[in-house]
Amino acid sequence: NAGVTQTPKFQVLKTGQSMTLQCAQDMNHNSMYWYRQDPGMGLRLIYYSASEGTTDKGEVPNGYNVSRLNKREFSLRLESAAPSQTSVYFCAILAASSYNSPLHFGNGTRLTVT
Amino acid sequence: AQSVTQLDSQVPVFEEAPVELRCNYSSSVSVYLFWYVQYPNQGLQLLLKYLSGSTLVKGINGFEAEFNKSQTSFHLRKPSVHISDTAEYFCAVSLNSNYQLIWGAGTKLIIKP
Repeated sequence: NAGVTQTPKFQVLKTGQSMTLQCAQDMNHNSMYWYRQDPGMGLRLIYYSASEGTTDKGEVPNGYNVSRLNKREFSLRLESAAPSQTSVYFCAILAASSYNSPLHFGNGTRLTVT
Repeated sequence: AQSVTQLDSQVPVFEEAPVELRCNYSSSVSVYLFWYVQYPNQGLQLLLKYLSGSTLVKGINGFEAEFNKSQTSFHLRKPSVHISDTAEYFCAVSLNSNYQLIWGAGTKLIIKP
């Protein structure tokens, strides 16, 4: 999806391994989000960042850390991966600085933890 | 607490038939309502949104949705579906007090030839 780039697209980890999911935007928007998507559960917010240098917990933050070092990038880190973290992870940005703006999503990272 | 319920996890329908995907929400405050579509192996993209004004909202690809405040519903409809509409559809609600969305669990639209 134009404007939001996620890397990698696929990843397989063993339990206990760590990794960082990267998200970069070229739309110069303030608010960025990390979601996980699991079958039958819709999207669940992990963390979000309303602006550069700020981050807040979402619905399911346990086991994750995030970093918003600049306006363009928002990374999600798994310090010690667990099978329960097998999921599809989406980064999204808010299209404008208002509550009624839609989200723009990346194409996702499909993570499997064995 | 606010919540969004999509009543059907899957909806099978024949090609060229009409379809309705149901969404109900619970909220004690004003909300903005969205429908997103997710095609296989892709991210979500906005289908349509209701902010205010006319309760009938038209979106992309021939979809429309009607906001019903008394029934707290925002059902999605299309008069004639095509095989290319095969996707998962998500209803979401935005409270006008923060930047977080509340999501439904999704409805898979299955088009039968």
